[in-house]
Amino acid sequence: DSGVTQTPKHLITATGQRVTLRCSPRSGDLSVYWYQQSLDQGLQFLIQYYNGEERAKGNILERFSAQQFPDLHSELNLSSLELGDSALYFCASSAEDVSNSPLHFGNGTRLTVT
Amino acid sequence: SQQGEEDPQALSIQEGENATMNCSYKTSINNLQWYRQNSGRGLVHLILIRSNEREKHSGRLRVTLDTSKKSSSLLITASRAADTASYFCATKHSGYSTLTFGKGTMLLVSP
Repeated sequence: DSGVTQTPKHLITATGQRVTLRCSPRSGDLSVYWYQQSLDQGLQFLIQYYNGEERAKGNILERFSAQQFPDLHSELNLSSLELGDSALYFCASSAEDVSNSPLHFGNGTRLTVT
Repeated sequence: SQQGEEDPQALSIQEGENATMNCSYKTSINNLQWYRQNSGRGLVHLILIRSNEREKHSGRLRVTLDTSKKSSSLLITASRAADTASYFCATKHSGYSTLTFGKGTMLLVSP
């Protein structure tokens, strides 16, 4: 068990809808990262938060947004969903900068857009 | 793109054999990490090797890093059926605070 909790495990929704994915990092970890995994693109970095502040942005669409709350949990909001947004969304956390410590991944949320 | 590339894409071996996976990258790194993913599950960290290190061991795992060739290899010795999974290399590049993952090697170990 990595200590990172993601909910829900599965989401099935229709195109055009909006969903919220939730992540609780490992106790004590200040950094939260969101990744999207699909068969054709592999594991793509979306966004990183550190202690409530946005630290880095990757290939995140404008339809997607995230935030990290004072209790350090994070939410990823996906709106105007398209079929191509179907993927596994992972949250990971780390104690320090990834120069010195690994990422700890949750088990992901599988999003299916129909 | 900074994305690393693993080679081979898929590997099928028998229990007891060794498995070697390779990773190549394009720009200088601070460290390189290997992760394992069982089907549909989260990634699990295996080993972190820094740019000034050449080799690291952890149990049946051996990782090498050649920064002159911008490549790394992961060796799993005496493989077991439970080693069946996808293996990813991830690179931490200078000036970036995140990891960039390759597309992975799918390893199948048959009993």
